[in-house]
Amino acid sequence: DAGITQSPRHKVTETGTPVTLRCHQTENHRYMYWYRQDPGHGLRLIHYSYGVKDTDKGEVSDGYSVSRSKTEDFLLTLESATSSQTSVYFCAISPFSSETQYFGPGTRLLVL
Amino acid sequence: RKEVEQDPGPFNVPEGATVAFNCTYSNSASQSFFWYRQDCRKEPKLLMSVYSSGNEDGRFTAQLNRASQYISLLIRDSKLSDSATYLCVVNMGGGFKTIFGAGTRLFVKA
Repeated sequence: DAGITQSPRHKVTETGTPVTLRCHQTENHRYMYWYRQDPGHGLRLIHYSYGVKDTDKGEVSDGYSVSRSKTEDFLLTLESATSSQTSVYFCAISPFSSETQYFGPGTRLLVL
Repeated sequence: RKEVEQDPGPFNVPEGATVAFNCTYSNSASQSFFWYRQDCRKEPKLLMSVYSSGNEDGRFTAQLNRASQYISLLIRDSKLSDSATYLCVVNMGGGFKTIFGAGTRLFVKA
């Protein structure tokens, strides 16, 4: 299995609070992604990174920001959490942009 | 119309059965195709890539039909352990253009 971890694995927070999720990889892959998964929807891309300090928006980026200061870490921040951001968040990595993506174990976030 | 569509199922089959899933995609410029498997409350994992010539991995066979814009997954001799959600994935050139289907749920029963 690809060396990819996410923290925390579970989080309960209140509306309006900031939340940061961390993705850490040991594969030295260039590309990193944040997705959310909700019932009835496929995985939807929030943001992605194609190198250190190089990031861009995905399909559902509103309300989220990211940072990548090191190859191995990709952070996802919810500036002011809302109930609509209750979801399962997956981080993924890939060596090349069109190649297979490998997923972390996910973070379950509940915003009350 | 969704960019990648799958029958959500669930498909309920007995052990030993053959089951097939189809997936359609809307963008004819799509370049690469995959099937992922996702167990309950787990992360998606690559099952197999799908090539134009079709490919097989043990009991699993994947086919691509570019003219009709669909891909398929055939599972022969189903096992209880095949119970999972199967995700159709289409890449249109670049990881940020990877689209995941919502998945097809499979239950294999003894």
